[in-house]
Parts: sequence; C-alpha cells; structure tokens
Amino acid sequence: AQSVSQHNHHVILSEAASLELGCNYSYGGTVNLFWYVQYPGQHLQLLLKYFSGDPLVKGIKGFEAEFIKSKFSFNLRKPSVQWSDTAEYFCAVQNTGFQKLVFGTGTRLLVSP
Amino acid sequence: NAGVTQTPKFQVLKTGQSMTLQCAQDMNHEYMSWYRQDPGMGLRLIHYSVGAGITDQGEVPNGYNVSRSTTEDFPLRLLSAAPSQTSVYFCASTSWDSGNTIYFGEGSWLTVV
Repeated sequence: AQSVSQHNHHVILSEAASLELGCNYSYGGTVNLFWYVQYPGQHLQLLLKYFSGDPLVKGIKGFEAEFIKSKFSFNLRKPSVQWSDTAEYFCAVQNTGFQKLVFGTGTRLLVSP
Repeated sequence: NAGVTQTPKFQVLKTGQSMTLQCAQDMNHEYMSWYRQDPGMGLRLIHYSVGAGITDQGEVPNGYNVSRSTTEDFPLRLLSAAPSQTSVYFCASTSWDSGNTIYFGEGSWLTVV
C-alpha cells in the first residue's frame, strides 16, 4: 500500500525567506505526485503535479518541486515566500494503475510579514 | 461545467442520526472518492469508486456507506452518526482522460453533537 510522509508539521518563516517542504512516499510501482495547498477556510487547490518527464516541475505562484526517484521524494520549494503563502500544504501520491490518491498529513506554513 | 458539487456545505447532527452527503460531477469522470480531513491527520480516504456499480473501501471506511448507481453521483451515507465523525468531508473525481488531474469539491463541514 502506498503512504506519504511529510516531515514538517509546522513551519514558520519570515517574508522573503526560502521554503522547502519535505515529502517522501513509499510505493514500489509507478506513481503520480502532487502538491496541494489549502488556504484558511478554503478547499484544496492544485499547486503542481508530476506524471513523467522532467523531474523538476513548476507550479503556480512561484512554487516548484523536484522528483528524486532514488530517494522516493518530492520536495516542494519556493525561493521567496510571501505572507499570502500562509496555508496548509499537502503532498499526495497516486497509484497510476488504480487512481487512488493518498495524502500526507500536511504542513502548516505561517509566513510572518 | 460545474465541476464537483457537494451538498450540504454545513450540517449539525445529533448522535445516532443518519444523513447523506451528496456529491455530483458533470465531467463524466469514472473515478470518484470521499475523504475526511481532520487536524494533524491530513486527508484520509473513506471510500472510492472506479465506475458506476463499483465501490471499494479506503483507509477509514467504518461508519460510512457509499453507492454509485450513476457515473455522476457518489453519495456518502452516515447511518448512525457519532461525534468521531465530526470532520470536513471532501468529494473528488478524476479520469484517465483528464490526465489524472483530481478535482475536489468545496467541502462539507459536519458536526455531530
């Protein structure tokens, strides 16, 4: 069965600081990888996704993530965060054969102005 | 094109009451699923369906029933609500044709007292 680990439960940064959120997954087969963001009081929004090809994927709002197959990782990065990036971030893994999407427990990011 | 529509948005139930959370999608997606979101636990898969007439259990199926009589609808039933089912519920759908992009509903906030 697939599983996802997000190591940081809470992250506090100042504006303009760089961000990296860790995500590791366990599954032996081919996977699709996602990062979702949930702003306070809102539903999930897709930040970016990796299906195949270039392991460095760029998403919306200046976010990017790198898929490292040998490490089973898909870390999310942003060079300079803004106050508006305050949200909860979820990594998710999808088994390509069965569509089932499994989420990590989320990382709450607080960006102080 | 409305995407994924969930109703109701908010509901308060008494312990032991039953109710159904409705989910409908108009994208002809074959795969639909229900998640619950709880603080510190991320999103956990309750039940999912890979097509009309086919359903299967996710990570936390106990206390919930589903059915998929049509491609469009995937209702989630709580037969006898318990306080442990207080949560935010998200319905999602996807399709191989949509490039495996998952579309989420806006969520249903359920409180069981």
